[in-house]
Amino acid sequence: DVKVTQSSRYLVKRTGEKVFLECVQDMDHENMFWYRQDPGLGLRLIYFSYDVKMKEKGDIPEGYSVSREKKERFSLILESASTNQTSMYLCASSLTGPSQPQHFGDGTRLSIL
Amino acid sequence: GQNIDQPTEMTATEGAIVQINCTYQTSGFNGLFWYQQHAGEAPTFLSYNVLDGLEEKGRFSSFLSRSKGYSYLLLKELQMKDSASYLCAPKAAGNKLTFGGGTRVLVKP
Repeated sequence: DVKVTQSSRYLVKRTGEKVFLECVQDMDHENMFWYRQDPGLGLRLIYFSYDVKMKEKGDIPEGYSVSREKKERFSLILESASTNQTSMYLCASSLTGPSQPQHFGDGTRLSIL
Repeated sequence: GQNIDQPTEMTATEGAIVQINCTYQTSGFNGLFWYQQHAGEAPTFLSYNVLDGLEEKGRFSSFLSRSKGYSYLLLKELQMKDSASYLCAPKAAGNKLTFGGGTRVLVKP
């Protein structure tokens, strides 16, 4: 079974802090994704990566950056956290190919105070 | 861009059938996924359609009409554990999914 592990289940940070969310997958997937999920808005793509050191902006990249130094690890960085970034953050990974599903981690519920 | 429309909530009785509709508009189309998400948990993959027609997988089936920009997920013989949100996600060219807001299904005894 594919395992996507997010480093924290719950996280509380303060406005202005730099926040790191970590995601690791153990199935040698090329593609990794970061989403946020908010009530009524569904899952929205922040950033994704097709390969090590590659990154592409998703639909809502403002205020975020990412790092993929190793194939199995994809980090989401909130450069200067703001209250409107309070959300559930979900990481996913997949193999390449149109029919390949994305496999999700359990999510990190981030609160910015 | 992509617009995805699915009902917000549906209620059904244990043992019954429920059909969750999804309409979408997408620039480029590379198939459509359905995911199930229980409250507080990660979404899990249910089905993938790329050709028109019905794909059956046990109690769950998914249908696609590319010309109409329409899909549905059919849940048969509903069980209490099927209470969850169901997410419609068309795939554009490349590997990028766009998710609908999800349909929350409540199964009552």
